[in-house]
Amino acid sequence: DIQMTQSPSTLSASVGDRVTITCRASQSISSWLAWYQQKPGKAPKLLIYRASSLESGVPSRFSGSGSGTEFTLTISSLQPDDFATYYCQQFNTLYSFGQGTKLEIK
Amino acid sequence: EVQLVESGGGLVKPGGSLRLSCAASGFTFSSYSMNWVRQAPGKGLKWVSSISSSSSYIYYADSVKGRFTISRDNAKNSLYLQMNSLRVEDTAVYHCARENKAGDAFDMWGQGTMVTVSS
Repeated sequence: DIQMTQSPSTLSASVGDRVTITCRASQSISSWLAWYQQKPGKAPKLLIYRASSLESGVPSRFSGSGSGTEFTLTISSLQPDDFATYYCQQFNTLYSFGQGTKLEIK
Repeated sequence: EVQLVESGGGLVKPGGSLRLSCAASGFTFSSYSMNWVRQAPGKGLKWVSSISSSSSYIYYADSVKGRFTISRDNAKNSLYLQMNSLRVEDTAVYHCARENKAGDAFDMWGQGTMVTVSS
């Protein structure tokens, strides 16, 4: 099984900050990685697919990069609506999620 | 409207059974692989099971293999999850999720249905 590890688990930041979340895979997954945003009581929302492709309708302040075993999700300038929990997910071999990163207001 | 709506959750005793349903609308259901993903209270997302568009390929997480059965009825635009031998640790919100045609993301999710396994 491929294990996905996100860091940090919790991130405190302010509106306007640039933030980066890291996701590491236990083995190479090429670019088979997606990122999701989830707010309390809501379904996850797709942000990024194939490591760096922005889903239609997602603001351009979100970007993804990486390949192999190390990936990042960057939010260039945090907006109030961005405070949520973020998950990565690999699609190389079946599917597995990272444990999540909670983005909190500082 | 393009949407997925789950139903069938509830309270069940350990060892019991439950059948979840997911009704799809607004898109050609028969063209997409579908998945179940669960989230225990206060915890992260865990993939449970996957079924291809024509039901030819079916996969399960090790934690549910032999106890859960995924199925679909393309004529009824519906996805199902039959859950048997339920355990306390199966307690979670169960979401159905559509896999995009490239197979590299879950691009549509339902709001979920809560399953509570408790004596």
